[in-house]
Amino acid sequence: DAKTTQPPSMDCAEGRAANLPCNHSTISGNEYVYWYRQIHSQGPQYIIHGLKNNETNEMASLIITEDRKSSTLILPHATLRDTAVYYCIVRVTGANSKLTFGKGITLSVRP
Amino acid sequence: DGGITQSPKYLFRKEGQNVTLSCEQNLNHDAMYWYRQDPGQGLRLIYYSQIVNDFQKGDIAEGYSVSREKKESFPLTVTSAQKNPTAFYLCASSSGQGLEQYFGPGTRLTVT
Repeated sequence: DAKTTQPPSMDCAEGRAANLPCNHSTISGNEYVYWYRQIHSQGPQYIIHGLKNNETNEMASLIITEDRKSSTLILPHATLRDTAVYYCIVRVTGANSKLTFGKGITLSVRP
Repeated sequence: DGGITQSPKYLFRKEGQNVTLSCEQNLNHDAMYWYRQDPGQGLRLIYYSQIVNDFQKGDIAEGYSVSREKKESFPLTVTSAQKNPTAFYLCASSSGQGLEQYFGPGTRLTVT
């Protein structure tokens, strides 16, 4: 599975959009981009995933660049409850569903 | 409600004792996973099972054992051979053809 690079931390103001970047320059054609988040002392929570098209659900939007070497997770109106560690993961699909979690990016939402 | 349950939330054991962590899911998922998380670190895969009565070692299986006798249950035993057992343990499941893994609330194990 390709490796991802995320900044260690960022913050944003409550009510503003939070844009979380992720680099995955070695991604291969059959690898998806996944985002999970982990609120302190809880299990990770699936947010969204995509292959090459931009995706949106009730939690967030995922923007993947045309060359697929980077992506951005967008939380459109961040709240204090969005404070968490966000993990960007790339992986192939198939029978072996391993997820490889790095250290992620810590998002702090300030009042 | 469908989901994954892990019990207990906190567990304390003396060094040298084996301990079993429970993981149950009612999502009808075929695959189940165990991860370990140390402070400030990401998750590392211990064992996974794609079907009943079958399981594979993950990246850090030494000192751990699992069983998968029922689809809904995947208990993890931390044996005395695990040199640094104190950690946060997370169980997850996914459907056979699905892409997302759903996680339980975790068990924090402290061994002294």
